[in-house]
Parts: sequence; C-alpha cells; structure tokens
Amino acid sequence: GQQLNQSPQSMFIQEGEDVSMNCTSSSIFNTWLWYKQDPGEGPVLLIALYKAGELTSNGRLTAQFGITRKDSFLNISASIPSDVGIYFCAGQAPPRDAGGTSYGKLTFGQGTILTVHP
Amino acid sequence: GAGVSQSPRYKVAKRGQDVALRCDPISGHVSLFWYQQALGQGPEFLTYFQNEAQLDKSGLPSDRFFAERPEGSVSTLKIQRTQQEDSAVYLCASSFQGEIRTDTQYFGPGTRLTVL
Repeated sequence: GQQLNQSPQSMFIQEGEDVSMNCTSSSIFNTWLWYKQDPGEGPVLLIALYKAGELTSNGRLTAQFGITRKDSFLNISASIPSDVGIYFCAGQAPPRDAGGTSYGKLTFGQGTILTVHP
Repeated sequence: GAGVSQSPRYKVAKRGQDVALRCDPISGHVSLFWYQQALGQGPEFLTYFQNEAQLDKSGLPSDRFFAERPEGSVSTLKIQRTQQEDSAVYLCASSFQGEIRTDTQYFGPGTRLTVL
C-alpha cells in the first residue's frame, strides 16, 4: 500500500541536541499529522496541521505543513531521553474527496527511530 | 475505560488457523478504523466503520480478512486460514466523528499476531 517517504530512517543524538525529520508525498493531503509510537503501544498524536504553510508548536516540538501540501517537517528542540521512540508522519485524506469518500483515513510514513544518548 | 482497548495483546497462531482480534473503542465514538503495521513499517489502513456500517474495506489484503461491528461499538477483525505474511501488529483507532477535519483518531495498543 501507499506510504509516505519519511527521512531519516533513524537518528542517534546526544541529549540536548535538536532533531529534524521530514516527510514527502506524491499526493496532496489536506491535513498532516505527526505521531509518536513507544514500544508495545499505539501511535499518539503530537501535532496536527490543517493549512498549507502552517507552522505549529507543541512545547519543544515544531511542525510545518508544506506550501505544496505534499510535505511536512517536524523539529524537536533540546532533546531529552524520553523523546526516544518512533516518530511517524501521516497524511489524512479529506472526509470527502473527488472519488467519493475517504473518511479521514491515514496514510503513514515508514517512521523515524530516534535514540537519545544521555 | 478511558482509551481504546484491544485484545488479545499477543496472539500466536499456526499457519492455517483462524484468529479473531477484538477492539473496544472509546465510548460514544462513531468512527472506527483498523490498520495493519508490519515490522519496521508505518501502519496501513485496512477498513473503516461508521457506527455499524462498514463504509470502506479497500485496504483488506484478501478475502481471508473480515471485519464487523454489529452494534456500532465493539469491532472484531477476523483472519481466516492465517498465513505467515499476516504476521503484524493490528491497530484499532476510533474517533468521535470521522467526517470533520479536526477529528483525532485515538489508537489502541494493538494486537501483535505471529503466524508460525
């Protein structure tokens, strides 16, 4: 099935460093989302973006919705050990699209595995 | 409970066996989604319910996969004659109403299925 192109696949950083990851798609999405998944758990929503060009922050996290609506990035500033996990971007289909209805189903990237060394 | 729950958390099946995976969505949530997450990959959409109606099953990989939500709350994903390629984590997500753009999907912890 379709997946978004997310990079990098993995990152190994020192505590206190900033992190940046991005996601691209061949399709346009109306909503971009960033999730974090811890081992043995389901994804948890971090940030949602609804408008092209939108820049949104949530604490140490900042994400942007690309102008072309085909890309997004996530920055984490001053990383801490609890930031460890897998980060996923996701594009959300509109409730109703030209093909009928898509009900807001999510298309995910392959994930970025983040390791933070204390 | 406060969140989406799934059971069992782990399931080991022999190839050819049938399995049933259960999802209890957040109370009052109209929309329910099933996703399949292979090892090292992001989740992939399987199917969508609005109340008891299965409105999209385009992501189900074969006719061995069947999902139902007969009373509009609990949902069951059934896989018949399991194959090794069915090994994955199966995630359930619910949202209050999937038709508004600000509607957040809340995920359960998943069921890890291993087919031997």
